[in-house]
Amino acid sequence: AQKITQTQPGMFVQEKEAVTLDCTYDTSDPSYGLFWYKQPSSGEMIFLIYQGSYDQQNATEGRYSLNFQKARKSANLVISASQLGDSAMYFCAMREVSSGSARQLTFGSGTQLTVLP
Amino acid sequence: DVKVTQSSRYLVKRTGEKVFLECVQDMDHENMFWYRQDPGLGLRLIYFSYDVKMKEKGDIPEGYSVSREKKERFSLILESASTNQTSMYLCASHSANSYEQYFGPGTRLTVT
Repeated sequence: AQKITQTQPGMFVQEKEAVTLDCTYDTSDPSYGLFWYKQPSSGEMIFLIYQGSYDQQNATEGRYSLNFQKARKSANLVISASQLGDSAMYFCAMREVSSGSARQLTFGSGTQLTVLP
Repeated sequence: DVKVTQSSRYLVKRTGEKVFLECVQDMDHENMFWYRQDPGLGLRLIYFSYDVKMKEKGDIPEGYSVSREKKERFSLILESASTNQTSMYLCASHSANSYEQYFGPGTRLTVT
């Protein structure tokens, strides 16, 4: 089974509007971390936000917030007030801490976000 | 600022050639990783290393090997390049005390 599922290959959003990028995950490990990365067309991977499985509150970093719904195993990224520079590929990733692969990230297939002027 | 550098941004090699991809990080990180990125598949882990001379297979190690002789350097080796190894290769590192992985700029390898 896929550990990280991103069901939206492509998304469009109007500039200044908010957008939600979906991510669901599958793990039996009680301790895990969830990440979102941004990859612009230049290719570098930029870390955006992190949520630990035991964190009580949803993580926020500036215009990025992570809508963490543990029972549903979802970790959606919300970008508020979209900007043209937000156009990029976005990856959701997970690290399972207890399983012995504490150092590894498992990535989803990504969502290509296009912000329209 | 953490810096992860990769030896080439673009590389073109012929089938059967031996290919070396080099990655260097300047933050004394214990853990280093090699991923390949293909459209629709996201990033897949090839190999990682948690210490000098230590290596572990990731999800897709076949056709690849790695070397970590110094803490700051992690090399990915394609012993005999094949066309199905045409891909973007990304190196990453992180400290044992931190959760954030830092990525290099990537090497786009084409095998003809």
